[in-house]
Amino acid sequence: GNSVTQMEGPVTLSEEAFLTINCTYTATGYPSLFWYVQYPGEGLQLLLKATKADDKGSNKGFEATYRKETTSFHLEKGSVQVSDSAVYFCALSDPVEGGSEKLVFGKGTKLTVNP
Amino acid sequence: NAGVTQTPKFQVLKTGQSMTLQCAQDMNHNSMYWYRQDPGMGLRLIYYSASEGTTDKGEVPNGYNVSRLNKREFSLRLESAAPSQTSVYFCASSLTGNTEAFFGQGTRLTVV
Repeated sequence: GNSVTQMEGPVTLSEEAFLTINCTYTATGYPSLFWYVQYPGEGLQLLLKATKADDKGSNKGFEATYRKETTSFHLEKGSVQVSDSAVYFCALSDPVEGGSEKLVFGKGTKLTVNP
Repeated sequence: NAGVTQTPKFQVLKTGQSMTLQCAQDMNHNSMYWYRQDPGMGLRLIYYSASEGTTDKGEVPNGYNVSRLNKREFSLRLESAAPSQTSVYFCASSLTGNTEAFFGQGTRLTVV
């Protein structure tokens, strides 16, 4: 089945630093790609998504571009804030029998931003 | 706007006890999921249901059973809890498997 690999953390940055969290995928066909964020003590919530090659998802200053040629969907932000401290998960859709799909997640990358 | 509601939020079980985690969504979603989250392991899929009336095993189904009671509800049952099942459990739902998933707040389960 489809799978994702994302960079292991933790990642520690100073406020206003540039952020990149790498995510690569293995898939048949063209899955939808997602980044989710989990703040302490909460469930996951969608940060951004892309559904086809060359699509750029963006939200709250975060961006990721669906790169078919490199099978990647790296998360970037130009200037992080303390409030961005969270765990970030890359995910993709994985086809299953019967024509449906399920969501598969990477292991997560913990980001800590210091003032 | 309730979204995805999980109960209970916290639970302590003794080894060998059974329990059911409840999950309900009010968004008319077709797909529902149960994940467990352990340190360093990310989110691992236990079971999922692509539509009402169907359930399938995920990555780590051993020791668990599920029921898709109707379109809204998807429960997870531990028949005989083991310490290895100590984890945080998340229920999620999505319209389909390639659309945004909405998560519950999680259930922190400790098996002693």
